[in-house]
Amino acid sequence: AQKITQTQPGMFVQEKEAVTLDCTYDTSDPSYGLFWYKQPSSGEMIFLIYQGSYDQQNATEGRYSLNFQKARKSANLVISASQLGDSAMYFCAMSNAGGTSYGKLTFGQGTILTVHP
Amino acid sequence: EAQVTQNPRYLITVTGKKLTVTCSQNMNHEYMSWYRQDPGLGLRQIYYSMNVEVTDKGDVPEGYKVSRKEKRNFPLILESPSPNQTSLYFCASSHTGTIKNIQYFGAGTRLSVL
Repeated sequence: AQKITQTQPGMFVQEKEAVTLDCTYDTSDPSYGLFWYKQPSSGEMIFLIYQGSYDQQNATEGRYSLNFQKARKSANLVISASQLGDSAMYFCAMSNAGGTSYGKLTFGQGTILTVHP
Repeated sequence: EAQVTQNPRYLITVTGKKLTVTCSQNMNHEYMSWYRQDPGLGLRQIYYSMNVEVTDKGDVPEGYKVSRKEKRNFPLILESPSPNQTSLYFCASSHTGTIKNIQYFGAGTRLSVL
């Protein structure tokens, strides 16, 4: 079975500093995708970044980068130069080529990030 | 503007009163899905649809129904809601269900069943 673990219920960071949100995953599929989503207090889910299991380079999208360590089964999100607007819940998620649910995203429990001025 | 639209955003109802949460996307996506979000559990998939008239169960389908008569619409039906269905519901869509397809989410529907 596929599983995503986010071990940090809450994280604090100073404005303009960098922060790393941890995500580990478990799957026996060789082909999978890893995603990060942001959920602000307003509730919507916003896609941030994607990493494929066969991608050689770590994904980057503006201030977001994904530190992908395949052997360790980790896919940590790095936010550089934090802004007050980054305060939100962050979810790591995985999609699998196999499994019993086509296209399903398996989500972690989420990490609440608070950015202090 | 490309978007997934859910209605209503907020709903309070009573046990046993049938309700429908609508979901519509304007991106011509084949794949649509419903999730529920509960504290400490992340999001869990309820049902999904690979295309018109093709639907299947996700991880937590009990108490829910769906239909996909048109490509753009994927309503979630609660025939007899119960308090344990109080949750935040999300509809999502993507081009296909392959692993690299980004799923775009609606704004969410917060449901309370009394």
